[in-house]
Amino acid sequence: QSVLTQPPSVSGAPGQRVTISCTGSSSNIGAGYDVHWYQQLPRTAPKLIIYGNSNRPSGVPDRFSGSKSGTSASLAITGLQAEDEADYYCQSYDSSLSGSVFGGGTKLTVL
Amino acid sequence: EVQLVQSGAEVKKPGESLKISCKGSGYSFTNYWIGWVRQMPGKGLEWMGIIHPYDSDTRYSPSFQGQVTISVDKSISTAYLQWSSLKASDIAVYYCARHAGMYGSIDYWGQGTLVTVSS
Repeated sequence: QSVLTQPPSVSGAPGQRVTISCTGSSSNIGAGYDVHWYQQLPRTAPKLIIYGNSNRPSGVPDRFSGSKSGTSASLAITGLQAEDEADYYCQSYDSSLSGSVFGGGTKLTVL
Repeated sequence: EVQLVQSGAEVKKPGESLKISCKGSGYSFTNYWIGWVRQMPGKGLEWMGIIHPYDSDTRYSPSFQGQVTISVDKSISTAYLQWSSLKASDIAVYYCARHAGMYGSIDYWGQGTLVTVSS
């Protein structure tokens, strides 16, 4: 059981918008620690797509956006494309564990 | 260009020891925390721990404390993950990961090292 909870899977048709939630607690997201998001394509290393709750690294399309409120965060992907099909993970710091934690991951299927 | 280059795949027997490496280049190695992330077959990412190359300050996830050792040789910009006695449950891909601060994101990843443990 991951400290950060994500839905196991989400899906959407090309061009649609999907959101992936990441629910934490008062020792991580709720404590004010930033949330970061990663995309992992099959058989490749994860890639940072959102840092500091809502910031995109250079080169990441603006179709990807992040937000945070209370003890939860969300990743939104608009204008879905086939190449977005991947696993997505949230990450934050947890003060009770004195280290970073990942969500369990969400598999995005583009229908 | 920032790069983290990991050592190659390993096949070991249960009970054997192992040390895998991660060499950083293209940045000031002693300025960033570097850590390790496990991914078991078909499973998600698990944060194992981090080390700061400047002073070797090391933090472990409670799940991995006592199970592995993270170390660094800053003279050759290389971080290590080692086991003293491997188990079948250690089968996984291990990624090294540069952290943008102790609470920060992982901005660069190594290519991953597959560790297989089989008798």
